[in-house]
Amino acid sequence: AQRVTQPEKLLSVFKGAPVELKCNYSYSGSPELFWYVQYSRQRLQLLLRHISRESIKGFTADLNKGETSFHLKKPFAQEEDSAMYYCALRTLGGSQGNLIFGKGTKLSVKP
Amino acid sequence: NAGVTQTPKFQVLKTGQSMTLQCAQDMNHEYMSWYRQDPGMGLRLIHYSVGAGITDQGEVPNGYNVSRSTTEDFPLRLLSAAPSQTSVYFCASSYMSAYEQYFGPGTRLTVT
Repeated sequence: AQRVTQPEKLLSVFKGAPVELKCNYSYSGSPELFWYVQYSRQRLQLLLRHISRESIKGFTADLNKGETSFHLKKPFAQEEDSAMYYCALRTLGGSQGNLIFGKGTKLSVKP
Repeated sequence: NAGVTQTPKFQVLKTGQSMTLQCAQDMNHEYMSWYRQDPGMGLRLIHYSVGAGITDQGEVPNGYNVSRSTTEDFPLRLLSAAPSQTSVYFCASSYMSAYEQYFGPGTRLTVT
């Protein structure tokens, strides 16, 4: 079964500390992984996707097919990073590329 | 561009009532979808459409109907509201399913 697991409901760190939001997936085919972010009172928006291999707002994520993980990392957290983060998997084939979301991790960065 | 718009922002229904959540996009996107967001459950796909006249079910379609008569609009109909349908509903669109999805602001629905 296709599944995205985000084991932490809430992650709280201090400003300037490193942060890692975990994401594991279950999918037998070739996955495409995304991180979406929802800031307070804002819409859900794409943060980054693994095929782009970009760093957005200081965040990076590497797809590890061996560990079936796509953890989101930032070396120095900022207060404005506080938000809800969702990992998402896009499957190929019959579902025509629909996204499967994890349950989300709420990141709180304290001053 | 307004992007993806949703109306209403808030709605309270009584059990058994019906209503339609509106979604529109002005980006000429072919792919549109509806999700519901529940605490501790993340976002779950209700229905999606890959173009005008084509719709299909997602993970949690029961109790909801959709249609896609135009590229721009993708309304979600609740046929007979139930308390279990209390949720925040998001509409999203993308150029094609493989591209970045743009989300609307959401509709917060309460069924009593």
